[in-house]
Amino acid sequence: IAGITQAPTSQILAAGRRMTLRCTQDMRHNAMYWYRQDLGLGLRLIHYSNTAGTTGKGEVPDGYSVSRANTDDFPLTLASAVPSQTSVYFCASSERQGVDTQYFGPGTRLTVL
Amino acid sequence: GEDVEQSLFLSVREGDSSVINCTYTDSSSTYLYWYKQEPGAGLQLLTYIFSNMDMKQDQRLTVLLNKKDKHLSLRIADTQTGDSAIYFCAESRGDKIIFGKGTRLHILP
Repeated sequence: IAGITQAPTSQILAAGRRMTLRCTQDMRHNAMYWYRQDLGLGLRLIHYSNTAGTTGKGEVPDGYSVSRANTDDFPLTLASAVPSQTSVYFCASSERQGVDTQYFGPGTRLTVL
Repeated sequence: GEDVEQSLFLSVREGDSSVINCTYTDSSSTYLYWYKQEPGAGLQLLTYIFSNMDMKQDQRLTVLLNKKDKHLSLRIADTQTGDSAIYFCAESRGDKIIFGKGTRLHILP
């Protein structure tokens, strides 16, 4: 693989179900991010990680959790999905947090019914 | 305000120049970016400018930075159908990058 990948590409989920969105990068980047993109609201940061073993809350963290057990993987979990979490989710990575260019995955389109 | 502001839509005729404008908030931002998002894809870095520069040109792209007014613009010369996308302005703010809501560029035949 090259770059940053996300899985699944799309998912339809019943409300109340648990769901984990996967994100993997092979660039050995220290920082990783999860965003959601909604029409008219742009990109909003959900959670981020400066380096393996650390995570932080972004602008809209409620209802989501993340873990960073190693450099490459940064899964995003919805413990109990709600319809307002219907969105397109993008994972991104950068060499360091902050000023470095962010590289984005192709996105996961999630629909919660 | 706290937001990076940009207009939501722009329509341009094929062959004309497109100018997408953005205002940002943090005068200490080190880098300012333009990302492009094509339909069904993630964002890709198009170009960036360091805060001590006024202008950067890269083929058909010209970025202008007015630090006094905190205004950033992206000019695309000879706009093509392949330029149809959403363009996001972003600024580095501390340890984060803050994105605007994106400008959807529509190309008229």
